[in-house]
This record gives sequence, structure tokens and C-alpha cells, in this order.
Amino acid sequence: GAVVSQHPSRVICKSGTSVKIECRSLDFQATTMFWYRQFPKQSLMLMATSNEGSKATYEQGVEKDKFLINHASLTLSTLTVTSAHPEDSSFYICSARILHRDRMANEQFFGPGTRLTVL
Amino acid sequence: DQQVKQNSPSLSVQEGRISILNCDYTNSMFDYFLWYKKYPAEGPTFLISISSIKDKNEDGRFTVFLNKSAKHLSLHIVPSQPGDSAVYFCAATRYGNKLVFGAGTILRVKS
Repeated sequence: GAVVSQHPSRVICKSGTSVKIECRSLDFQATTMFWYRQFPKQSLMLMATSNEGSKATYEQGVEKDKFLINHASLTLSTLTVTSAHPEDSSFYICSARILHRDRMANEQFFGPGTRLTVL
Repeated sequence: DQQVKQNSPSLSVQEGRISILNCDYTNSMFDYFLWYKKYPAEGPTFLISISSIKDKNEDGRFTVFLNKSAKHLSLHIVPSQPGDSAVYFCAATRYGNKLVFGAGTILRVKS
């Protein structure tokens, strides 16, 4: 099956520092990756859509200068939380999409998530 | 505007019985629906999906039903097992674009 990894799985940092989270598709190429954020007991909220070789598309309300996304290759996307503050503490999850020939038949495969705690 | 709704925050079922998780949506343009299972502090795991051109899709113990006129889909798990205890999210998409998730339903299967 399709495997997506994230690194690190858990990070604790001081307020004001920047944190980079990596998302890799291990056994397939993903032209599109997605970044989500999940608060406790809430649903996954899409932050941005990352397309290889182009700028990310951010959802309304998500600061693109705060959450920098780079999708440099077909297997790697990174999310950098810049100048992190305690309110950025959350569970960040990436996903990668396999696009089938039948465009309607596609699924997203999720990474295991990264728990960010900003002190 | 919640386009995908899971109105039951939790469901408790006895082992061996059927679990039915429900999901409603408002956007008639959605053409593909998915169910994901999620454990705490882990990413969601894909379970089963259904295209809007079908009304049923079955995979082992999991069956998803789609009622387009009612904009409603449901996930049936038969028989339910304790290992099925998790949070279940339904999601919808249009033309394979971004997924819109429901709020999730916590399923507890009692042994």
C-alpha cells in the first residue's frame, strides 16, 4: 500500500523558534500533498495544498508567511512553522494523493502526524 | 459552513453487532466520498470509498451506502470488533480536489 512518513513525530520548541516538518511519500510519487491541522477533539482542518514545483495554495485564514510550504520533489513536502508561538501547538498531518487514471477514483494517504508543542 | 456533517459524536456497540456511522453533506457537487479511521496521535487510515455514480461499495466487513437524493452516506461495520474502536471521519471531494472532513464519530465496541 501507499506509505507516507512524517518527521519528526513529536517536537517541543521555545516560542519564537522555527520548526520544519517533513512529509515523504515512500513508495509512490505524489504530485499533490496536503497539510492539515487537528485541534483536540476536532476534525482535520486543511491548511494548504502543495503541488510539486509550484506555490502552495493556502486555505482562508491560514497565514502563508507563518506556515511556509515547500514541495521540492515528487516525494517530499515540508511545512515550516516560523516564529512559533504557543497557539501554534497542534497536531499537524500531511497527506499525499495518488491520482488514478479515473480522476474520480483517487484517495489521500496520510502520514502519522507531528505533535508540535511550543513552550 | 459545514459542508460535511457527522451528527453523532459517539457510538457504542456490542462486539459482534452492526455499527452504523452516518454522514450528511450539503454540497451536491461532491462526487467522491471516503471514510477514514483514526487512532489518537496517529494519522487517519483510509477505509473505504464510494463514487457518486454508485450507491454501495463493499470491502470485507465494511460497506458504504450512498443516498444522493438525501445527500447522506453511511458506513456499516459487520461484525463489529473491539479493534474497530476509533474515531471515524467521513470526507467528500469534488474532482479529486481537497477533502472536506466531517467532525468525526467516536466508535466504541464493547466486548
